[in-house]
Amino acid sequence: QKEVEQNSGPLSVPEGAIASLNCTYSDRVSQSFFWYRQYSGKSPELIMSIYSNGDKEDGRFTAQLNKASQYVSLLIRDSQPSDSATYLCAVKPNFGNEKLTFGTGTRLTIIP
Amino acid sequence: EPEVTQTPSHQVTQMGQEVILRCVPISNHLYFYWYRQILGQKVEFLVSFYNNEISEKSEIFDDQFSVERPDGSNFTLKIRSTKLEDSAMYFCASRGRSMNTEAFFGQGTRLTVV
Repeated sequence: QKEVEQNSGPLSVPEGAIASLNCTYSDRVSQSFFWYRQYSGKSPELIMSIYSNGDKEDGRFTAQLNKASQYVSLLIRDSQPSDSATYLCAVKPNFGNEKLTFGTGTRLTIIP
Repeated sequence: EPEVTQTPSHQVTQMGQEVILRCVPISNHLYFYWYRQILGQKVEFLVSFYNNEISEKSEIFDDQFSVERPDGSNFTLKIRSTKLEDSAMYFCASRGRSMNTEAFFGQGTRLTVV
């Protein structure tokens, strides 16, 4: 059973601080990793993808990948109230047409 | 910006009835997916579709479900005889050609079976 694990939260972070979201996965052949943001009642919105070990930065977001530890994280700097949402970690192998396997998501609340 | 569009946004149906959920993927994408999310639960894969055929399906995607790409633009999910437990948000997603391209999701159809 291929699993993606996330702390369900809720995670509360003061406005302007750094929010750190973590994800572990069980399938070693996973090669592609994604963070989606989901507002309540809405669809997942892609915010970051990462394919290689190390860090990838995009604006206030940094994704970190460690394949040896089967661990991927998302840092949100200068957190804003609009960042309050559920963050979904998703993984997939990098061959064929394989599906995304999602974690249950971490609910993040930014406190003004 | 190109986007995946889904219709209807909300569908209420009686148990045992057939429903068709419709999706228009991003125009140059080649891989198409249906996912569902039961309220309060994780997003679950249903089926993937490439080159006019199903490439993978989950155990959820039983004989009651079918997909079709009838006209080169629309991508539909049919549930033949709905059950109460089919109530969920259904998301269509599409992806481009490269292995490293990301999947983009439509806004979803909320299906309520009563």
